[in-house]
This record gives sequence, C-alpha cells and structure tokens, in this order.
Amino acid sequence: GAGVSQSPSNKVTEKGKDVELRCDPISGHTALYWYRQSLGQGLEFLIYFQGNSAPDKSGLPSDRFSAERTGGSVSTLTIQRTQQEDSAVYLCASSLGAYPSYEQYFGPGTRLTVT
Amino acid sequence: GQNIDQPTEMTATEGAIVQINCTYQTSGFNGLFWYQQHAGEAPTFLSYNVLDGLEEKGRFSSFLSRSKGYSYLLLKELQMKDSASYLCAVRARGEMTTDSWGKLQFGAGTQVVVTP
Repeated sequence: GAGVSQSPSNKVTEKGKDVELRCDPISGHTALYWYRQSLGQGLEFLIYFQGNSAPDKSGLPSDRFSAERTGGSVSTLTIQRTQQEDSAVYLCASSLGAYPSYEQYFGPGTRLTVT
Repeated sequence: GQNIDQPTEMTATEGAIVQINCTYQTSGFNGLFWYQQHAGEAPTFLSYNVLDGLEEKGRFSSFLSRSKGYSYLLLKELQMKDSASYLCAVRARGEMTTDSWGKLQFGAGTQVVVTP
C-alpha cells in the first residue's frame, strides 16, 4: 500500500524566503510527526499532531516555524524567512495512533538547502 | 528532556555479532524504539521495548532494563546490507497535560560498518 509521501523531495531556496513542505500520511493514521535531520545528526523532533488534540509544538526551534494539519490528514510545515541553519532533511512520519507501541512510518524526506 | 547516548560508530565482520548500547535518562518513560537508517533513506522500524527483557525478531534482538536506563540492539549473522545507522529513540511523557503518551526523542545514531 501507499506509504508516507513528502513533497518536494529537494528544495533550494534563498536566505530570507519562505518555504512550505508537504506531508501526506498513510491513510487512517491519526498521528503525524515532523522531524529534521542535519548532516550526520540524529532526528530532532519538531511537532506532532494526534487526532483533534492540540499539537505538541515543543520542538519547534523558533517562531519562524509553524505547521498545520488540515482535515486530519495532509500536513504542511512552513518556515518563514529561512536561514542557512535551517538547511537539513525534514522528515515526516505517521502512526496508527499515539499509543506508545505504535511504530512510526517515515516518509522519504525533503532536503532543504538555504543558500 | 532526555539524554540519549549511543556510540558513534562500530565496525564488525560479515557473519559476526554486534551489540549497540543505548543509555537514557528520562522521566515518564513510555517505551524505547530502535530504527535502522540506510544512507540517504528514511528510518525504518526494527523493534519496540516497554517492559524489561529481551525481544527477539529473527537476526535482531533488543533488550531493555528500565531501572538502569539501558537498552541494546543485538545484530547476529551480520550481512553487508546491515551497514547502516541504528537509531535509539525513547518515548517519554512531557510536562504538557495534552501530551498523553509522549513524543519520541532520538539519539544521534550508531553507524555500523560491516566489512567482508
């Protein structure tokens, strides 16, 4: 079946521009997560959505970062006024629910390069 | 937050066994995951432990000791395709009242290199 999809796969943008990254989770998965991974680093949690609950935004590094999830499905991560330190691979994951044992299925990621 | 420590890199020979240790400090523990990530690819799930003890899945086993804040991933009969980064991730409940089950925090990963 279809897995988690993300678009675009690669994005090059100039410093100061805004970018939007999209994630389509697996159908029926109520939990959705955003992470970023810098070169050679582990995954850094950004935000997660579970059903209709208020999202956990505790990992967002600054107020330039925001995310929304429409209709409990597709999510968009927006980075305003991008900086060079925002360059990373942004990974989205979804799971059947937020129950602890539910594994997260990851998308292929969006590689963001800020020049 | 959590401190999650794992070795940066390990090298082993094809057919051998490698044990990747992970130590963590956290409150509100809700489980520990191991993921495999090949270069340039997304992480894929390997195992989940929430109770003390050993979970075995084919060539891979994972162990957890909650009292020691310790886990290991054991890879047996190593194959060249096992060369990858192995990520330890801890799920722990945060301070937010809406954070019912907690988010995953990942370690930096252990790069396993399998040599012929």
